[in-house]
Amino acid sequence: AQSVAQPEDQVNVAEGNPLTVKCTYSVSGNPYLFWYVQYPNRGLQFLLKYITGDNLVKGSYGFEAEFNKSQTSFHLKKPSALVSDSALYFCAVRDGDNYGQNFVFGPGTRLSVLP
Amino acid sequence: GAGVSQSPSNKVTEKGKDVELRCDPISGHTALYWYRQSLGQGLEFLIYFQGNSAPDKSGLPSDRFSAERTGGSVSTLTIQRTQQEDSAVYLCASSNDLYEQYFGPGTRLTVT
Repeated sequence: AQSVAQPEDQVNVAEGNPLTVKCTYSVSGNPYLFWYVQYPNRGLQFLLKYITGDNLVKGSYGFEAEFNKSQTSFHLKKPSALVSDSALYFCAVRDGDNYGQNFVFGPGTRLSVLP
Repeated sequence: GAGVSQSPSNKVTEKGKDVELRCDPISGHTALYWYRQSLGQGLEFLIYFQGNSAPDKSGLPSDRFSAERTGGSVSTLTIQRTQQEDSAVYLCASSNDLYEQYFGPGTRLTVT
């Protein structure tokens, strides 16, 4: 069975500092990994994905994430946080070897960037 | 191109009434998903349509909930005899094969 953990309900960071939002996953097959962001009163927006290739993937708004197979992690990072990055972030996984399997989302991490 | 659209954007209904929520996926996307999100909380999976396969209904919370997808495109989520605990934002998403989902703006349902 697939699962996603986001161990932090809330992350606070000062504007201009680097940020990390953690995600670990469990999947029986080949992991396809995704990050989404949800701004207040909005739907979810796709940020980035890892399917194959380079372990460091770059996405929208200056975000990047590093796939670590041995640690089964896919942490989201940004070198310099902006107040406008404050939002709810969701990590998701899918089994790439099993067409038809559903996505599994983590519980979400609320990021607050303080001015 | 056009994204995923949902209607209505807001729906207020009285307890016991039936409601229908509509989702128009991105053209050509074979997969369609419904989720429910309580205020500021995580996503609760409801149902998943993939092509012509039987839908994955494992997330539907009760038999008051049902969904259909006509012609492999538009989907309708129906909630019968609504209860106050059904109040939430209902999100629809579509995707092409195994890759990222694209979400609609959601329908905010309030049951009074």
